[in-house]
Amino acid sequence: DGGITQSPKYLFRKEGQNVTLSCEQNLNHDAMYWYRQDPGQGLRLIYYSQIVNDFQKGDIAEGYSVSREKKESFPLTVTSAQKNPTAFYLCASVGVGLSEAFFGQGTRLTVV
Amino acid sequence: AQKITQTQPGMFVQEKEAVTLDCTYDTSDQSYGLFWYKQPSSGEMIFLIYQGSYDEQNATEGRYSLNFQKARKSANLVISASQLGDSAMYFCAMRTGMDTGRRALTFGSGTRLQVQP
Repeated sequence: DGGITQSPKYLFRKEGQNVTLSCEQNLNHDAMYWYRQDPGQGLRLIYYSQIVNDFQKGDIAEGYSVSREKKESFPLTVTSAQKNPTAFYLCASVGVGLSEAFFGQGTRLTVV
Repeated sequence: AQKITQTQPGMFVQEKEAVTLDCTYDTSDQSYGLFWYKQPSSGEMIFLIYQGSYDEQNATEGRYSLNFQKARKSANLVISASQLGDSAMYFCAMRTGMDTGRRALTFGSGTRLQVQP
């Protein structure tokens, strides 16, 4: 079955550490997105990529980095520069057709 | 710029009644898609319904229908016969970029729906 897989589901980070969140899709979608969601809030765009080897900053990119070396994969690294990383992170991919927009299950990151 | 506005931070509805969640949008694209997602406390985003900008009929999926008024740029979600399990956060989203190739997915701030027995 085609879909998006995010891992891990839960992640704990010590202060000062970098952590990487995985997002993989087998839908053959070109565009992929990372969003951050704080409790009770909406989704804020961190980074997005329209094509392999290209990505753009979203509204809250500071303290985050991404790569897009393969069409299927769009990992997000939360660096030590992100001062308040505790949040729920969602990855999405968008296909060619207007109705093709899918989400992963999300990763809940907690700083300990 | 693309924008989605959801003006109802929270809504209450009695079980078995219908409820309408509001969504207005702004885009200069001619081709776009509108989505509604449900987000329960587990966090996953559950796709509910989709409406394309060129679709003449309002979309329906079971108890969900989308009241699409293109001239007013509104895409309200109607849930009929509310159930306790409908209590969740609901997001309206818009897909644009079909004309430019720069595909964007823009979200509203969400509406928290609580269904009361």
